[in-house]
Amino acid sequence: EAGVTQFPSHSVIEKGQTVTLRCDPISGHDNLYWYRRVMGKEIKFLLHFVKESKQDESGMPNNRFLAERTGGTYSTLKVQPAELEDSGVYFCASSRGHGGETQYFGPGTRLLVL
Amino acid sequence: GENVEQHPSTLSVQEGDSAVIKCTYSDSASNYFPWYKQELGKGPQLIIDIRSNVGEKKDQRIAVTLNKTAKHFSLHITETQPEDSAVYFCAASKGGAAGNKLTFGGGTRVLVKP
Repeated sequence: EAGVTQFPSHSVIEKGQTVTLRCDPISGHDNLYWYRRVMGKEIKFLLHFVKESKQDESGMPNNRFLAERTGGTYSTLKVQPAELEDSGVYFCASSRGHGGETQYFGPGTRLLVL
Repeated sequence: GENVEQHPSTLSVQEGDSAVIKCTYSDSASNYFPWYKQELGKGPQLIIDIRSNVGEKKDQRIAVTLNKTAKHFSLHITETQPEDSAVYFCAASKGGAAGNKLTFGGGTRVLVKP
């Protein structure tokens, strides 16, 4: 069984540009989460999809961030326009539906905004 | 919202010795407590978890204890080996209708010296 995959592994962009991160969860996992770790601090929750619906987006920092999960499979997280403070590592995690608690994390996308 | 504190932030131990990492949480409704290990360049990997109806759980050299009254839980690694060197994160979630989002501690960088 393939694990959670994320693309790209690294991205370096200039302030004001747009970046789109992609996450492919484990096949059959209904729950998909986005987290990020900024400047060596704790990993923080961004949002949670159940299939294609946003269950909880309380962690999204502002309206420059847009997450989608069309069709309930892979998800994208777009940052537009990117700011310096958006630099960090963005993790995606997935878990089974119906109360599945164990979250499996992807390798992360390291984003650097210059 | 939930707040998770983790100590120490760094821990250096001699190979063969034990390592203990402690976390406290603030929300008494939290009922699921996973521990993740993150190696350089990789995403967090679940190493052990415990639910609130259990006080202790062990898996080979790793054990976790939970004190619901005091709202703290600990990770114990015995007979440490160089490959145990990594960053360890504790986390807490409420599960159920709250959607299982994880609140993480700040992480502990463990170095096992041969």
